[in-house]
Amino acid sequence: SALTQPASVSGSPGQSITISCTGAGGGVVNYNLVSWFQQHPGRAPRLLIYEGAKRPSGVSNRFSGSKSGNTATLTISGLQAEDEAGYYCCSFAGTSTSYVFGSGTKVTVL
Amino acid sequence: EVQLVESGGGLAQPGRSLRLSCAASEFTFDDFAMHWVRQAPGKGLEWVSGITWNSDFVGYAASVKGRFTISRDNAKNSLFLQMNSLREEDTALYYCVKDAGLYGGDYFDYWGQGTLVTVSS
Repeated sequence: SALTQPASVSGSPGQSITISCTGAGGGVVNYNLVSWFQQHPGRAPRLLIYEGAKRPSGVSNRFSGSKSGNTATLTISGLQAEDEAGYYCCSFAGTSTSYVFGSGTKVTVL
Repeated sequence: EVQLVESGGGLAQPGRSLRLSCAASEFTFDDFAMHWVRQAPGKGLEWVSGITWNSDFVGYAASVKGRFTISRDNAKNSLFLQMNSLREEDTALYYCVKDAGLYGGDYFDYWGQGTLVTVSS
């Protein structure tokens, strides 16, 4: 089953927003196996966060990952127009080479 | 920079077959697991299949198990997806995706631009 994310989140330029990622049926998500992707329309997804909170080289430090209870969270600080995109969480499902994605969140910059 | 270039997509009738290919370059292909991830039009991402660096282990989503077969040719730096008994619900953009590790279970660090598969009569 897909991980649960809010369908949409919005914010004004300069604000901070958060996107949650919860296990199926409200269950626990394995935080250390969670990654986050950004996808602009017509483009391939891009890795933003891996292993819960690590950032690949080249990704802005405005993007951060954290954990709150049973939920993994992506925070975008200092929101910019270019952050308007779709965002997906993803986790290894625990069986050989198997993964599950979140339902996706559309971020709108007001 | 890692390059992943998919090919082989197109229009197929329900019940027919297609074979997708992914040409990899600018990294040591046989040091990493690889995957296929798809995205139906206007929908979210769905993991389809993965294969370890040495092809010892493969995995499939329940929606494609028994119909799709993943394989790789490390000598040719290539990943493949044989898609049989295609259904309309297989219509999607198929991405070739690099794993950060040998055996999978890590994360997806690079994506291709995708190849579009349309299943329709």
